[in-house]
Amino acid sequence: QVQLVESGGGVVQPGRSLRLSCAASKFTFSNYGMHWVRQAPGKGLEWVAVIWYDGSNKYYADSVKGRFTISRDNSKNTLYLQMNSLRVEDTAIYYCARDRGSYGSSNPDYWGQGTLVTVSS
Amino acid sequence: QSALTQPPSASGSPGQSVTISCTGTSSDVGSYNYVSWYQQHPGKAPKLMIYEVSKRPSGVPDRFSGSKSGNTASLTVSGLQAEDEADYYCSSYGSSNNLIFGTGTKVTVL
Repeated sequence: QVQLVESGGGVVQPGRSLRLSCAASKFTFSNYGMHWVRQAPGKGLEWVAVIWYDGSNKYYADSVKGRFTISRDNSKNTLYLQMNSLRVEDTAIYYCARDRGSYGSSNPDYWGQGTLVTVSS
Repeated sequence: QSALTQPPSASGSPGQSVTISCTGTSSDVGSYNYVSWYQQHPGKAPKLMIYEVSKRPSGVPDRFSGSKSGNTASLTVSGLQAEDEADYYCSSYGSSNNLIFGTGTKVTVL
């Protein structure tokens, strides 16, 4: 069974940085596109970013473009999200999710349990 | 791009059917068959229920079905059961190489 385990969340002040990780197992990580999706408390799902199976292409939501960077290390089966210049409105549970295909266009099938990021002074 | 539009709530009695709509545009739902539906129980991660408009992953009951017409996709839950009470979200691939989620629908089993 596919496993995705996020880590790195916590409380951070506005303007600071945080890096999230997502450890993948029980599937061939290097074959799949990967997403980050977030959910603010009591709100709906918001897509954040996607990266192709080989890391060659990355796309971002307008709300995080220029501040967040998605990356992956296929040798470590790990997905990352570097979050800079954090804002209060970035407070959310951050999920990593596997795409059904290699290019991030097929929509996620498996999701991690999420990690909570709280941006507050 | 804006979120796909879903009704905030839907309800039905056990055994009845409920249908949730998901309205997008010609740049997302209307152009691609990469439409999915997710079920989310409180405090849990989303679970894939339907992918590519109408396909069910292994293990998802056939009470769940999906369809699409033009810019609107739909999820129907037949034979409602208590455990179907949850939030449901649609998603679609978009022309900006992005993923767009619906606004979410809370399904209540009366």
